Amino acid sequence: EVQLLESGGGLVQPGGSLRLSCAASGMTFSNYAMSWVRQAPGKGLEWVSGISASSGSTYYADSVKGRFTISRDNSKNTLYLQMNSLRADDTATYFCVRTVISFSSEKGNDYYFPYWGQGTLVTVSS
Amino acid sequence: SYVLTQPPSVSVAPGQTARITCGGDNIGSKSVHWYHQKPGQAPVLVVYDDTDRPSGIPERFSGSNSENTATLTISRVEAADEADYFCQVWDSRTVHVVFGGGTKLTVL
Repeated sequence: EVQLLESGGGLVQPGGSLRLSCAASGMTFSNYAMSWVRQAPGKGLEWVSGISASSGSTYYADSVKGRFTISRDNSKNTLYLQMNSLRADDTATYFCVRTVISFSSEKGNDYYFPYWGQGTLVTVSS
Repeated sequence: SYVLTQPPSVSVAPGQTARITCGGDNIGSKSVHWYHQKPGQAPVLVVYDDTDRPSGIPERFSGSNSENTATLTISRVEAADEADYFCQVWDSRTVHVVFGGGTKLTVL
């Protein structure tokens, strides 16, 4: 059974930093792309960042580019999200998600999320 | 940036059919994925690649996608289907994932 366990959330002041971790089990972690998706309280889903299986490619939402860094350690089966210069609007539950990246001649590239962790809450407030 | 538009809410009686739409410019040229999320829980993938169902998802859940609208159809709706539903695509132009704003399905 695939399990994704996030940790590292908590209360941080505006301008501060936090590093989230996601420990994966029940899967060959190094075979899969991974992503972070967040959800502000009472709001919808927002994709944050993604990373390829080998770390060769990384992607970021415009709202976090330059402030957040996604990385992974395949030897530890762990995904990370380093968050710097945090703002109040970064307050959200952050989900670690296993990611499918595929391609079809009909529709081109594809990217979706079959497995989700339970999330870790990040609160940015003074 | 690419925008996906969903109705904020849909209501349906038990046993009836619910249809949740997801509008986007030429969305028929993209693969659409659907998730449901119950309060306090993580989202769950219910339809991927427009029409496919992950294992464990009932056949009552189906999807379609054409031109400017993708649709998630839930047949024989049950009380347990009450949840928020989100559509999602990959925008290759911006290399971003895009989610719709979500639709709250209420079972009357």
